[in-house]
Amino acid sequence: QKEVEQDPGPLSVPEGAIVSLNCTYSNSAFQYFMWYRQYSRKGPELLMYTYSSGNKEDGRFTAQVDKSSKYISLFIRDSQPSDSATYLCAMSGQAGTALIFGKGTTLSVSS
Amino acid sequence: GAVVSQHPSRVICKSGTSVKIECRSLDFQATTMFWYRQFPKKSLMLMATSNEGSKATYEQGVEKDKFLINHASLTLSTLTVTSAHPEDSSFYICSARGTGGSEYGYTFGSGTRLTVV
Repeated sequence: QKEVEQDPGPLSVPEGAIVSLNCTYSNSAFQYFMWYRQYSRKGPELLMYTYSSGNKEDGRFTAQVDKSSKYISLFIRDSQPSDSATYLCAMSGQAGTALIFGKGTTLSVSS
Repeated sequence: GAVVSQHPSRVICKSGTSVKIECRSLDFQATTMFWYRQFPKKSLMLMATSNEGSKATYEQGVEKDKFLINHASLTLSTLTVTSAHPEDSSFYICSARGTGGSEYGYTFGSGTRLTVV
């Protein structure tokens, strides 16, 4: 079993839809959880950062962490064509250690 | 905010030659650098971790003699792909962590697309 599992998609939605992206993980030591957005042939861009369990909201984005289920989610409200990209979840156990990434989910938002 | 400049963004080289990729932290001191590679439609796979002034720690399966990492200063780390072969063609990304860096601790470079022909 891989440490971090993420459905690669692709996921296609119409503009304005609510998008739900998810990752599961096996290492209970993970405490730091992040979501990145990556456009083709570019480096990943941080969207959300969460420590331990709970929810965090930033504009149209909401990140949720459920450590008891080893499950994290990213919700995108009012999706826009500009949100079309690959979304990667990442996590680590201790601050400053290397991030372990999911495979990434490719999202396409059509206008 | 914290910025890591990665160069070159794209490079094409002949099989058997060596290629050097540089990552520079522009406004903070990168005490730790992580090097990743990413195949098309695949995740970022950690190759190695380097701390300034120390030898890099490589992940299992990564050839340290092929992927030479130097982190001699707090603002510069380099990855040299030696005797490159077509199977080394990939997207290489660095990620820096250090003092004065981003709030959450990791700043990524923009990536280098290496094509070996």
